Amino acid sequence: RKEVEQDPGPFNVPEGATVAFNCTYSNSASQSFFWYRQDCRKEPKLLMSVYSSGNEDGRFTAQLNRASQYISLLIRDSKLSDSATYLCVAVTDSWGKLQFGAGTQVVVTP
Amino acid sequence: DGGITQSPKYLFRKEGQNVTLSCEQNLNHDAMYWYRQDPGQGLRLIYYSQIVNDFQKGDIAEGYSVSREKKESFPLTVTSAQKNPTAFYLCASSPPGLPSYEQYFGPGTRLTVT
Repeated sequence: RKEVEQDPGPFNVPEGATVAFNCTYSNSASQSFFWYRQDCRKEPKLLMSVYSSGNEDGRFTAQLNRASQYISLLIRDSKLSDSATYLCVAVTDSWGKLQFGAGTQVVVTP
Repeated sequence: DGGITQSPKYLFRKEGQNVTLSCEQNLNHDAMYWYRQDPGQGLRLIYYSQIVNDFQKGDIAEGYSVSREKKESFPLTVTSAQKNPTAFYLCASSPPGLPSYEQYFGPGTRLTVT
């Protein structure tokens, strides 16, 4: 079983709509999580950190459910520029080893 | 401008040749990392270094080697022993202080071995 699992998508979203997707993690000891955004053939860029129950940054909201071991990302009022692959990351080690999911692709359409 | 640079962006090599990928950062970050990304897969850790002159194997270190002689530099050598070297290679670094798990990535090098 992979340590971090994501629905690969794609999630096709009309512009202006809301989209949400989850990521599950297997290591119950994981304390910190991140969402990274990766554009096609580019490097991942940090989108949000999730250290407690959740985090909100503008149109983006991340929620952490420790009981069920999943993190969610919600994007409100989707923009065309939100089209990307979103990588879920769990910190699985005391020194900060990151475990990456394979990513969820989001396609925002006009 | 502060950041992480990787060169070259694209690299082509013949099978059996060693190749070294460059990674430089001027962010004053202590820790540096190398990952590889294959299509449809998450990033996998090759090597990491938390301090100069020290580095540790990651999950897929076989066929790779690194050095960390300077804080700013963490080159990765893909040796001929790596069975499937064609991939997207990403270098990352993270700021000093604990906890500091956020990692920042360079633009990557796409290596194609034929």
